[in-house]
Amino acid sequence: QVQLVQSGAEVKKPGASVKVSCKASGYTFTSYGITWVRQAPGQGLEWMGWISAYSGNTNYAQKLQGRVTMTTDTSTSTAYMELRSLRSDDTAVYYCARVDWHAFDIWGQGTMVTVSS
Amino acid sequence: QSALTQPPSASGSPGQSVTISCTGTSSDVGGYNFVSWYQQHPGKAPKRMIYEVSKRPSGVPDRFSGSKSGNTASLTVSGLQAEDEADYYCSSYAGSNTWVFGGGTKLTVL
Repeated sequence: QVQLVQSGAEVKKPGASVKVSCKASGYTFTSYGITWVRQAPGQGLEWMGWISAYSGNTNYAQKLQGRVTMTTDTSTSTAYMELRSLRSDDTAVYYCARVDWHAFDIWGQGTMVTVSS
Repeated sequence: QSALTQPPSASGSPGQSVTISCTGTSSDVGGYNFVSWYQQHPGKAPKRMIYEVSKRPSGVPDRFSGSKSGNTASLTVSGLQAEDEADYYCSSYAGSNTWVFGGGTKLTVL
């Protein structure tokens, strides 16, 4: 079946970087884009950015420009999201989702990233 | 990239209907017919309920419907059931492969 499986929880210190993976299966990886969404504890969903799995083109939310990088590895059907210079307010559950014609139809299970000294 | 505006809460009794609004601008909701709605139960990943304003994915009950007028989109849940109690988020395409979410609405079934 179509699914996205994300990497496990991470604990990082302020100023460090984190890289979350999202492995796709059950569909042609390069036929869809991948988006990343995060959710701070008790808060709403925040769109972080998008990557085309076909071309590698990206577009990031303005507030994360310069700190986030999204990449894909088509040989393993895996998308990655790296966030640098981590702060306490980056503590959140990070989701990847497949983009199907401007909506997000398949979601990963989420990855908890905790930033704490 | 300002968040779309949703009421923080909504409620209804079993069997009743409830409508959740989602207000944006002409740069997002009003500019594209690409509004989608997501249901999220506690501790779970969001689930797509509506896409392209009013289309329902396979498996989503027809009690869920969507509409749009100008810069405001709406999600209506008819015949409320206990399992509909969840957080609901709207999202809109905003051009150039960017999207924006609403702040979320907590739906309570009384």
